[in-house]
Amino acid sequence: EAQVTQNPRYLITVTGKKLTVTCSQNMNHEYMSWYRQDPGLGLRQIYYSMNVEVTDKGDVPEGYKVSRKEKRNFPLILESPSPNQTSLYFCASSLSVRDRVEGYTFGSGTRLTVV
Amino acid sequence: QQPVQSPQAVILREGEDAVINCSSSKALYSVHWYRQKHGEAPVFLMILLKGGEQKGHDKISASFNEKKQQSSLYLTASQLSYSGTYFCGTCRVAGKSTFGDGTTLTVKP
Repeated sequence: EAQVTQNPRYLITVTGKKLTVTCSQNMNHEYMSWYRQDPGLGLRQIYYSMNVEVTDKGDVPEGYKVSRKEKRNFPLILESPSPNQTSLYFCASSLSVRDRVEGYTFGSGTRLTVV
Repeated sequence: QQPVQSPQAVILREGEDAVINCSSSKALYSVHWYRQKHGEAPVFLMILLKGGEQKGHDKISASFNEKKQQSSLYLTASQLSYSGTYFCGTCRVAGKSTFGDGTTLTVKP
């Protein structure tokens, strides 16, 4: 089944403890992206990747890191999480942004709580 | 710059129509629409790539007025399954997408 898989689905952590949220897609998509969703603020883009080893900042990159070493994986890293990073996170992928012919396939989301 | 969606919320009876608007203050590459049900991921509905384009399937369609930098989503003869939050996403630079705050649609029997 074609899908974007995020793990974990739920995570509670403490301030300052490094964590990684994984994202993997099995559709051979070039483009991948991370979003956070907060009540009343919609989806805000954190980072995106046009292809392997190519990443760029979205609108809210502060406090996050990403890497794209393989086409299928795009992990989101929080080096020192803070309570204001408590949010619902979505990973998304698309075949090719350059062709602009497809919308995004989203993962099921990761609900992160930082205490 | 985030696109602006209107209205923020709509309540309908089954069979009624609705229009959701999405506008931007800057030029757009494309506009895409998603529906998100509570506790689930957004699901892609359609993408419009150029001005004047209109698309639709079943009773959901959309238009893109590039000149006015706005798009509208049309839901006709709404069904209970149409309930959810609708987001428009826009791209001004390839790869960099911005979403509106969403429009919550509630369809009642």
